[in-house]
Amino acid sequence: EVQLVDSGGGLVQPGRSLRLSCATSGFTFGDYAMSWVRQAPGKGLEWVGFIRSKSYGGTTEYAASVKGRFTISRDVSKTIAYLQMNSLKTEDTAVYYCTRARGFRGIVFDYWGQGTLVTVSS
Amino acid sequence: DIQMTQSPSTLSASVGDRVTITCRASQSISNWLAWYQQTPGKAPKLLIYKASSLESGVPSRFSGSGSGTEFTLTISSLRPDDFATYYCQQYYTHWTFGQGTKVEIK
Repeated sequence: EVQLVDSGGGLVQPGRSLRLSCATSGFTFGDYAMSWVRQAPGKGLEWVGFIRSKSYGGTTEYAASVKGRFTISRDVSKTIAYLQMNSLKTEDTAVYYCTRARGFRGIVFDYWGQGTLVTVSS
Repeated sequence: DIQMTQSPSTLSASVGDRVTITCRASQSISNWLAWYQQTPGKAPKLLIYKASSLESGVPSRFSGSGSGTEFTLTISSLRPDDFATYYCQQYYTHWTFGQGTKVEIK
């Protein structure tokens, strides 16, 4: 059974950093791309970033709203994906979901973690 | 950036009703469109991909259609656990979600 477990959220002051983790099981982690999606309280879904599998270079892409501040990485040996968030702003407050990304030309998010809440406030 | 617009924002319906949600893209996305269902406090769930392909395990009362810029999600006969918020998502260039359609009990 595919499982993704998000963790690392919490209350953080503006300008500080936080690292989220996504522990996975039930599939060959190294064969899949991974992505992060967030949802501000009472709002819709916003794609945050994406990391390709090693087979496709392990490269990353980011939404304009977080580019230069957020970094996605992965540890294949531990089957964990990470979202490092620096220079946090109040507008980054959201539930953050990691997702498994399936496909090559057209990539959809077929499995999601349960989400972890990040609150940025002084 | 490609913008996705769903209509309506809220839909009131009864169990057994046929329900249709529309999603429009700001430019052609071919058939690179997915639909997700989200219930309160839960993560979204993939229902449909490539505009009309049903994800494994999803009931056949869900169907999708469309290509280019206009797409629809249809629930043929609404069940109690279908009351939720539905999001379309384009994956032609990066990923963008619609604002969501809440299907509520009439």
